Amino acid sequence: RKEVEQDPGPFNVPEGATVAFNCTYSNSASQSFFWYRQDCRKEPKLLMSVYSSGNEDGRFTAQLNRASQYISLLIRDSKLSDSATYLCVVNIDNNDMRFGAGTRLTVKP
Amino acid sequence: GAVVSQHPSWVICKSGTSVKIECRSLDFQATTMFWYRQFPKQSLMLMATSNEGSKATYEQGVEKDKFLINHASLTLSTLTVTSAHPEDSSFYICSAPPNGPNQPQHFGDGTRLSIL
Repeated sequence: RKEVEQDPGPFNVPEGATVAFNCTYSNSASQSFFWYRQDCRKEPKLLMSVYSSGNEDGRFTAQLNRASQYISLLIRDSKLSDSATYLCVVNIDNNDMRFGAGTRLTVKP
Repeated sequence: GAVVSQHPSWVICKSGTSVKIECRSLDFQATTMFWYRQFPKQSLMLMATSNEGSKATYEQGVEKDKFLINHASLTLSTLTVTSAHPEDSSFYICSAPPNGPNQPQHFGDGTRLSIL
């Protein structure tokens, strides 16, 4: 079993749709969690951290479920510019970070 | 915030050439840098961890003599792909570790390496 697992997609959704991604992790000692966005042939860019209580940033909502060891990302009112690959990153500690393979999202007009 | 600069962003060269990639921390000191490789449609794979003033730590399956890492100062880590071959073509990214608990790591811009 991979340490961090994501559905690779692709998710093809129309503009304005709501889409959700899940990510599961295997190490219960994981300390912090992040969602990154990666555009084709670019470096990953931090989208948002994921807090235990859940957090929201505009159209994006992140949730953490430590008991079930998964995190989620919800995107509301999808825009064309949201098309990208979304990476789930789990930090075991400051020097040990694990990446999911990414979920590819395409938002179509 | 912390900024990591990576250079070059894109390299195309002939098989057998050695290619050096630089990763600089611009506004902070980094005693550790991570080097990743990413093949198309795959996740980032950690290759090695460079440590300022000491030898790098390589992940299993990564050839030390093939991927030379030097971390000679607190602001510069370099990865040299020696005698590169087409199968070394990939996207290489460096990052600096988080600067505190629950903080994200800081990525360089990445280097797209194409070996002909």
